This record gives sequence, structure tokens and C-alpha cells, in this order.
Amino acid sequence: EVQLVESGGNLVEPGGSLRLSCAASGFTFSTNAMGWVRQAPGKGLEWVSAIGADSGEIQYAASVKGRFIISRDNSENTLFLQMNSLRADDTAVYFCAKGLVGYSFGSWGQGTLVTV
Amino acid sequence: EIVMTQSPATLSVSPGERATLSCRASFSVSTNLGWYQQKPGQAPRLLIYGASTRATGIPARFSGSGSGTEFTLTISSLQSDDSANYYCQQYNNWPLTFGGGTKVEIK
Repeated sequence: EVQLVESGGNLVEPGGSLRLSCAASGFTFSTNAMGWVRQAPGKGLEWVSAIGADSGEIQYAASVKGRFIISRDNSENTLFLQMNSLRADDTAVYFCAKGLVGYSFGSWGQGTLVTV
Repeated sequence: EIVMTQSPATLSVSPGERATLSCRASFSVSTNLGWYQQKPGQAPRLLIYGASTRATGIPARFSGSGSGTEFTLTISSLQSDDSANYYCQQYNNWPLTFGGGTKVEIK
């Protein structure tokens, strides 16, 4: 069974930093694209960033480019999101998601709350 | 950026009736389109990918159709458990984009 467990969410001051982690199990992590999607309170889904299986492809939403860094450790089956220069509008639940076909997201974690 | 527009914003349907949700893309996304269901306090769940392929474990009452810029998610016989928000997402171009969602309510 695919499991994605996010951690690292917290209350942080504007301008601060956080590092989110997503521990993956139940599938071959090293062969799957992964992504982060966020949801502000009471709002819809917003894609944040994505990374290919071998980290060869990395993409960011314009709203986070230059501030957030996505990475992965295939030896530890873990996805990361380094979040710098945080702003109030970054407040959201951040979901880790596994790519299925292309960057459709077939499995999701339960989310971790970031409050700025 | 490809803008995804969903309609209606809210849909109220009686149990057993058909629900039809629409998603329009501002430019062609071929069939690189997914549909997600999200219930309050839960993570989204992929229903459909490739515009028309049901994800594993998704009941047959959910079906997707369309290509290019016009897409439809149909719930053939609505059940009370289908009350949720539904989102479309294109993955044909960067940045990935989601529609604003349709809330399906049970009458």
C-alpha cells in the first residue's frame, strides 16, 4: 500500500524558513515523479512544485520560484520542500503527492499545515 | 499559464440522479487531464486520469470524457457518499494548474 507521510509544518514568522519532508513507502520511490500541492484555508488546490524520478526535471509555480526548493533522497525514500522567505499567503496545508501518469497525482499524503 | 475553469461552482443533485461537471481549459491540454474528489478534512483522491481512465478502485459510476479544451466528469447515479468538492487538473504544460472546483451537494 502506498503511504506518504508529511512532516515539518509549523507556525513561522514572515520571512522565516521551514523544511517539509515526505516519507514514502509501499512503492518504488526512485522511479516515480513527485510533487507538492497546497491548499489555503477554505480555498482550492494550488500546485507548488514537482520533481522527476531522478531529479532531472524540477518545476515551480511562479508564486514560489526563487523562494522554495524541492529535492529528493531516493536512498531514503524521502521528498523535501525547503521553504524560504515565507509570506502570509504561503499559509496552507501542504500535500505531498506521487505522480501516476505524467504529473497526474495518484496518491496523496494527509498534509501538513504551514502557518505564516 | 493554462487557466482551468470549472462549472458550475455548486451542483445540487438528488440521490440516484446524474451529475455532470464541466472543466474548460484556456488552451488545448490534449487528454492530459485529471479529476479529483476531495471531502472536508481529507486529501484529494484521483478519480480519472488521461481524461477518461478511471484510477484504481474508483467505482464505475464515475466517468470522464473530452479532449482539447472541453472535459466532463459524470457521476451516473449519485450516492450520498459522493458529496464533495471536485477539481480538474491539467498536466500537459507547466505550470500544472487546477480548476477552482465544483461542490456537489446531495438534495
